[in-house]
Amino acid sequence: DGGITQSPKYLFRKEGQNVTLSCEQNLNHDAMYWYRQDPGQGLRLIYYSQIVNDFQKGDIAEGYSVSREKKESFPLTVTSAQKNPTAFYLCASTLTFPNTGELFFGEGSRLTVL
Amino acid sequence: SQKIEQNSEALNIQEGKTATLTCNYTNYSPAYLQWYRQDPGRGPVFLLLIRENEKEKRKERLKVTFDTTLKQSLFHITASQPADSATYLCALDRAGGGNKLTFGTGTQLKVEL
Repeated sequence: DGGITQSPKYLFRKEGQNVTLSCEQNLNHDAMYWYRQDPGQGLRLIYYSQIVNDFQKGDIAEGYSVSREKKESFPLTVTSAQKNPTAFYLCASTLTFPNTGELFFGEGSRLTVL
Repeated sequence: SQKIEQNSEALNIQEGKTATLTCNYTNYSPAYLQWYRQDPGRGPVFLLLIRENEKEKRKERLKVTFDTTLKQSLFHITASQPADSATYLCALDRAGGGNKLTFGTGTQLKVEL
């Protein structure tokens, strides 16, 4: 079955540690996104990539890094520079052509900083 | 900057009634607006997309309207069922392409027996 797989589902981190969240899709989508969701707030865009080996900052990129070496994969690293990393992280993808506009989301990764 | 407002209070309705959720936006004229469903601890699931030149869109028991003059979208679920209980998110596209979306905070719907 085609879809987006995020791992791990739950992750605990000590302050000062970097962690990497995995996102893999087998939908043959060109564009991939990382969002962060906090209680009482809408999803906020961290980074996005429309093509392999290229990505752009979203609204809250500080303290995060990404790579897009393969079409299927868009890992997100939460660095120690991120001041408030505890959140629910969502990866998404979409076709850029034809552009139907809908995002396909993974099941999310919940990061807790101890 | 763009702002999207959805009712922050939960909406409780009885089974069989029509649920109506509101999405208001300011400071932008989106080319399209989308609605997603999100269950607790899970990723959002796309439901419907409506474009700026469309007044209404339907899909089974779902209906979305888009009033670009009022800058408002209404999302209706007819003959609601307890299984419709979830949080519903409104999202609109942003300038600059790339399918970047701005999401509202969502409205929690609870359908009671």
